[in-house]
Amino acid sequence: EDQVTQSPEALRLQEGESSSLNCSYTVSGLRGLFWYRQDPGKGPEFLFTLYSAGEEKEKERLKATLTKKESFLHITAPKPEDSATYLCAVQARGNDMRFGAGTRLTVKP
Amino acid sequence: DAGVIQSPRHEVTEMGQEVTLRCKPISGHNSLFWYRQTMMRGLELLIYFNNNVPIDDSGMPEDRFSAKMPNASFSTLKIQPSEPRDSAVYFCASRPGTSNTQYFGPGTRLTVL
Repeated sequence: EDQVTQSPEALRLQEGESSSLNCSYTVSGLRGLFWYRQDPGKGPEFLFTLYSAGEEKEKERLKATLTKKESFLHITAPKPEDSATYLCAVQARGNDMRFGAGTRLTVKP
Repeated sequence: DAGVIQSPRHEVTEMGQEVTLRCKPISGHNSLFWYRQTMMRGLELLIYFNNNVPIDDSGMPEDRFSAKMPNASFSTLKIQPSEPRDSAVYFCASRPGTSNTQYFGPGTRLTVL
């Protein structure tokens, strides 16, 4: 069965303190790995799609990387406005996505 | 551009009542997804449509749940009768035919008393 595990569940950082979030997955035939950001009371907001091992994508202070077993979301010099829950999802066979439980990130000024 | 639109944003109802949630996907997107989010189970796919046709409803929890997509710009998720355990945030997402990326609406927070 396809599984997605995100760690840590929660992460507290000081402003400027870089770190990484992890998404481990087991799927048959990965068609895509997705990162979303979710703010309280809002829907998930799309960040990145990664398709193959070795691929990397960047957006402002965020960089997503992918291996055959996991993905990392690196946050460089985070700011308080980066505080949110970050969700990872995988798409295998078919068209549906399986989501992880998310990492709740808090960045303190 | 308008994103995915959902209504109502909040719904409070009593057990046994019928609840209808509405979704307008992004124009031009040909796939639509309904999700439920709870603290215990996270985001779960309930059903998805492709070109207005239901493709996979294996995530629909019970016969009390039904979904329709009468045209490319509108979908409903109905719960009849509602129960307290249906309390959750329900999201609608849409996806263009040229991409694997889903775009989510703001959600409907449902509380069943």
